[in-house]
Amino acid sequence: DAGVTQSPTHLIKTRGQQVTLRCSPKSGHDTVSWYQQALGQGPQFIFQYYEEEERQRGNFPDRFSGHQFPNYSSELNVNALLLGDSALYLCASSFQGANSYEQYFGPGTRLTVT
Amino acid sequence: AQSVTQPDIHITVSEGASLELRCNYSYGATPYLFWYVQSPGQGLQLLLKYFSGDTLVQGIKGFEAEFKRSQSSFNLRKPSVHWSDAAEYFCAVGAEVTGKLIFGQGTTLQVKP
Repeated sequence: DAGVTQSPTHLIKTRGQQVTLRCSPKSGHDTVSWYQQALGQGPQFIFQYYEEEERQRGNFPDRFSGHQFPNYSSELNVNALLLGDSALYLCASSFQGANSYEQYFGPGTRLTVT
Repeated sequence: AQSVTQPDIHITVSEGASLELRCNYSYGATPYLFWYVQSPGQGLQLLLKYFSGDTLVQGIKGFEAEFKRSQSSFNLRKPSVHWSDAAEYFCAVGAEVTGKLIFGQGTTLQVKP
Protein backbone atom coordinates (compact mmCIF):
# COMPACT_ATOMS: atom_id res chain seq x y z
CA ASP A 1 0.00 0.00 0.00
CA ALA A 2 1.72 3.14 -1.24
CA GLY A 3 1.78 6.03 1.17
CA VAL A 4 1.73 9.70 0.31
CA THR A 5 4.36 10.63 -2.24
CA GLN A 6 5.72 14.07 -3.09
CA SER A 7 7.98 15.40 -5.80
CA PRO A 8 10.50 16.77 -6.10
CA THR A 9 12.40 16.07 -2.90
CA HIS A 10 14.44 19.25 -3.04
CA LEU A 11 14.18 22.39 -5.10
CA ILE A 12 16.21 25.57 -5.36
CA LYS A 13 14.63 28.64 -6.93
CA THR A 14 15.44 32.32 -7.27
CA ARG A 15 13.34 35.16 -5.90
CA GLY A 16 10.52 36.08 -8.26
CA GLN A 17 10.33 32.67 -9.89
CA GLN A 18 7.40 30.30 -9.80
CA VAL A 19 7.37 26.73 -8.47
CA THR A 20 5.06 23.72 -8.69
CA LEU A 21 5.09 20.94 -6.13
CA ARG A 22 3.28 17.65 -6.59
CA CYS A 23 1.56 15.17 -4.31
CA SER A 24 -0.05 11.78 -4.75
CA PRO A 25 -2.33 10.74 -1.89
CA LYS A 26 -2.37 7.46 -0.05
CA SER A 27 -4.42 4.79 -1.79
CA GLY A 28 -8.12 5.18 -0.93
CA HIS A 29 -7.80 8.80 0.14
CA ASP A 30 -9.67 11.58 -1.64
CA THR A 31 -8.64 14.72 0.24
CA VAL A 32 -5.32 16.52 0.09
CA SER A 33 -4.06 19.21 2.45
CA TRP A 34 -0.90 21.27 2.10
CA TYR A 35 1.22 22.61 4.94
CA GLN A 36 4.27 24.85 5.13
CA GLN A 37 6.86 24.09 7.79
CA ALA A 38 9.49 26.75 8.38
CA LEU A 39 12.69 25.72 10.11
CA GLY A 40 12.13 25.07 13.80
CA GLN A 41 8.36 25.54 13.56
CA GLY A 42 5.29 23.38 13.42
CA PRO A 43 3.49 22.94 10.10
CA GLN A 44 1.11 25.73 9.07
CA PHE A 45 -2.02 24.90 7.07
CA ILE A 46 -2.08 26.36 3.55
CA PHE A 47 -5.24 24.84 2.03
CA GLN A 48 -7.21 21.66 1.52
CA TYR A 49 -8.67 20.14 -1.66
CA TYR A 50 -11.60 17.80 -1.99
CA GLU A 51 -13.56 16.95 -5.13
CA GLU A 52 -11.17 19.15 -7.09
CA GLU A 53 -12.15 22.24 -5.14
CA GLU A 54 -10.42 24.27 -2.46
CA ARG A 55 -12.45 23.68 0.71
CA GLN A 56 -10.52 25.69 3.22
CA ARG A 57 -7.62 28.09 3.16
CA GLY A 58 -5.16 29.17 5.81
CA ASN A 59 -3.58 32.58 6.21
CA PHE A 60 -1.51 32.53 3.03
CA PRO A 61 -1.49 35.07 0.19
CA ASP A 62 -2.95 34.47 -3.25
CA ARG A 63 0.54 33.72 -4.54
CA PHE A 64 -0.14 30.26 -3.16
CA SER A 65 -2.58 28.32 -5.31
CA GLY A 66 -3.39 24.71 -5.87
CA HIS A 67 -5.19 22.17 -7.90
CA GLN A 68 -6.59 18.70 -7.45
CA PHE A 69 -6.95 16.28 -10.33
CA PRO A 70 -9.64 13.63 -10.91
CA ASN A 71 -7.24 10.94 -9.63
CA TYR A 72 -7.02 12.94 -6.34
CA SER A 73 -3.41 13.97 -6.85
CA SER A 74 -2.64 17.60 -6.20
CA GLU A 75 -0.29 20.43 -7.05
CA LEU A 76 0.81 23.42 -5.04
CA ASN A 77 1.91 26.47 -7.01
CA VAL A 78 3.74 29.42 -5.58
CA ASN A 79 4.26 32.54 -7.71
CA ALA A 80 6.66 35.45 -7.24
CA LEU A 81 8.79 33.55 -4.75
CA LEU A 82 10.13 35.38 -1.72
CA LEU A 83 13.05 34.41 0.49
CA GLY A 84 10.52 33.75 3.25
CA ASP A 85 8.92 31.01 1.19
CA SER A 86 11.92 28.79 1.91
CA ALA A 87 10.49 25.90 3.91
CA LEU A 88 9.53 22.24 3.92
CA TYR A 89 6.21 21.81 2.11
CA LEU A 90 4.20 18.89 3.35
CA CYS A 91 1.29 17.21 1.67
CA ALA A 92 -1.19 15.21 3.74
CA SER A 93 -3.99 12.98 2.54
CA SER A 94 -7.14 11.78 4.24
CA PHE A 95 -10.47 10.17 3.46
CA GLN A 96 -13.41 12.56 3.62
CA GLY A 97 -15.93 9.80 4.21
CA ALA A 98 -14.39 8.73 7.51
CA ASN A 99 -12.56 11.50 9.28
CA SER A 100 -10.64 14.03 7.30
CA TYR A 101 -8.71 15.04 10.39
CA GLU A 102 -6.81 11.76 10.32
CA GLN A 103 -4.16 12.90 7.90
CA TYR A 104 -1.14 11.02 6.63
CA PHE A 105 1.86 13.02 5.55
CA GLY A 106 4.33 12.64 2.74
CA PRO A 107 8.09 13.16 3.13
CA GLY A 108 7.86 16.77 2.00
CA THR A 109 9.55 18.97 -0.58
CA ARG A 110 12.37 21.17 0.69
CA LEU A 111 12.17 24.51 -1.16
CA THR A 112 15.08 26.92 -0.94
CA VAL A 113 14.65 30.40 -2.39
CA THR A 114 17.86 32.37 -3.03
CA ALA B 1 -9.31 30.60 18.14
CA GLN B 2 -7.95 27.11 18.42
CA SER B 3 -4.34 26.79 19.46
CA VAL B 4 -1.86 24.21 20.68
CA THR B 5 0.96 24.82 23.13
CA GLN B 6 3.89 22.54 23.70
CA PRO B 7 5.62 24.11 26.70
CA ASP B 8 8.89 22.21 26.34
CA ILE B 9 11.02 23.18 23.36
CA HIS B 10 13.72 20.65 24.11
CA ILE B 11 13.81 17.59 26.40
CA THR B 12 16.72 15.26 27.13
CA VAL B 13 16.19 11.85 28.71
CA SER B 14 18.43 8.88 29.29
CA GLU B 15 17.82 5.72 27.31
CA GLY B 16 15.53 3.44 29.29
CA ALA B 17 14.00 6.30 31.27
CA SER B 18 10.35 7.23 31.07
CA LEU B 19 9.13 10.13 28.95
CA GLU B 20 6.29 12.61 29.11
CA LEU B 21 5.81 15.34 26.52
CA ARG B 22 3.27 18.00 27.36
CA CYS B 23 0.57 19.40 25.13
CA ASN B 24 -2.14 21.92 25.99
CA TYR B 25 -4.86 22.97 23.60
CA SER B 26 -7.43 25.69 23.36
CA TYR B 27 -10.67 24.58 21.79
CA GLY B 28 -14.35 25.14 22.48
CA ALA B 29 -15.74 21.68 21.89
CA THR B 30 -14.43 18.13 22.21
CA PRO B 31 -11.26 18.21 20.17
CA TYR B 32 -9.72 15.73 17.81
CA LEU B 33 -6.15 15.38 19.05
CA PHE B 34 -3.04 13.93 17.48
CA TRP B 35 0.62 13.30 18.13
CA TYR B 36 3.04 13.13 15.23
CA VAL B 37 6.77 12.37 15.14
CA GLN B 38 9.23 13.81 12.66
CA SER B 39 12.76 12.54 12.13
CA PRO B 40 15.30 15.00 10.69
CA GLY B 41 14.50 15.90 7.10
CA GLN B 42 11.45 13.67 7.04
CA GLY B 43 7.70 14.03 6.91
CA LEU B 44 5.38 13.50 9.88
CA GLN B 45 4.34 10.07 11.10
CA LEU B 46 1.10 9.68 13.02
CA LEU B 47 1.78 8.19 16.46
CA LEU B 48 -1.72 8.20 17.88
CA LYS B 49 -5.07 9.99 17.84
CA TYR B 50 -7.99 10.78 20.11
CA PHE B 51 -11.48 11.30 18.74
CA SER B 52 -13.75 10.20 21.58
CA GLY B 53 -14.26 7.45 24.14
CA ASP B 54 -11.48 6.08 26.31
CA THR B 55 -9.27 8.97 27.36
CA LEU B 56 -6.12 6.82 27.37
CA VAL B 57 -5.11 6.00 23.82
CA GLN B 58 -2.42 3.65 22.64
CA GLY B 59 -0.26 4.36 19.62
CA ILE B 60 2.58 2.91 17.67
CA LYS B 61 6.13 2.40 18.94
CA GLY B 62 4.94 1.92 22.53
CA PHE B 63 3.57 5.45 22.96
CA GLU B 64 0.37 6.38 24.74
CA ALA B 65 -1.41 9.63 25.48
CA GLU B 66 -4.06 10.69 27.94
CA PHE B 67 -6.78 13.22 27.21
CA LYS B 68 -7.69 15.33 30.24
CA ARG B 69 -10.55 17.67 29.47
CA SER B 70 -10.33 19.48 32.82
CA GLN B 71 -6.71 20.42 32.11
CA SER B 72 -7.08 20.85 28.33
CA SER B 73 -4.13 18.53 27.97
CA PHE B 74 -3.10 15.60 25.83
CA ASN B 75 0.29 14.50 27.11
CA LEU B 76 2.36 11.86 25.35
CA ARG B 77 4.09 9.17 27.40
CA LYS B 78 6.42 6.24 26.95
CA PRO B 79 7.58 4.01 29.80
CA SER B 80 11.08 3.33 28.44
CA VAL B 81 12.73 5.46 25.78
CA HIS B 82 14.97 4.00 23.08
CA TRP B 83 17.74 5.87 21.29
CA SER B 84 15.70 5.64 18.08
CA ASP B 85 12.97 7.78 19.68
CA ALA B 86 15.14 10.88 19.32
CA ALA B 87 13.13 13.15 17.01
CA GLU B 88 10.78 16.12 16.89
CA TYR B 89 7.32 15.56 18.34
CA PHE B 90 4.27 17.59 17.37
CA CYS B 91 0.89 17.77 19.02
CA ALA B 92 -2.02 18.84 16.83
CA VAL B 93 -5.72 19.58 17.16
CA GLY B 94 -8.29 19.17 14.39
CA ALA B 95 -10.10 22.44 13.76
CA GLU B 96 -13.87 22.08 13.72
CA VAL B 97 -15.56 21.41 10.39
CA THR B 98 -12.64 22.20 8.17
CA GLY B 99 -10.42 19.19 8.63
CA LYS B 100 -7.47 21.48 9.12
CA LEU B 101 -4.84 20.53 11.69
CA ILE B 102 -3.34 23.13 14.00
CA PHE B 103 0.11 22.18 15.26
CA GLY B 104 2.15 23.14 18.27
CA GLN B 105 5.72 24.34 17.85
CA GLY B 106 7.11 20.93 18.60
CA THR B 107 9.35 19.37 21.24
CA THR B 108 12.79 18.09 20.34
CA LEU B 109 13.63 14.88 22.16
CA GLN B 110 17.26 14.00 22.71
CA VAL B 111 18.12 10.57 24.13
CA LYS B 112 21.35 10.13 26.10
CA PRO B 113 23.05 6.73 26.01
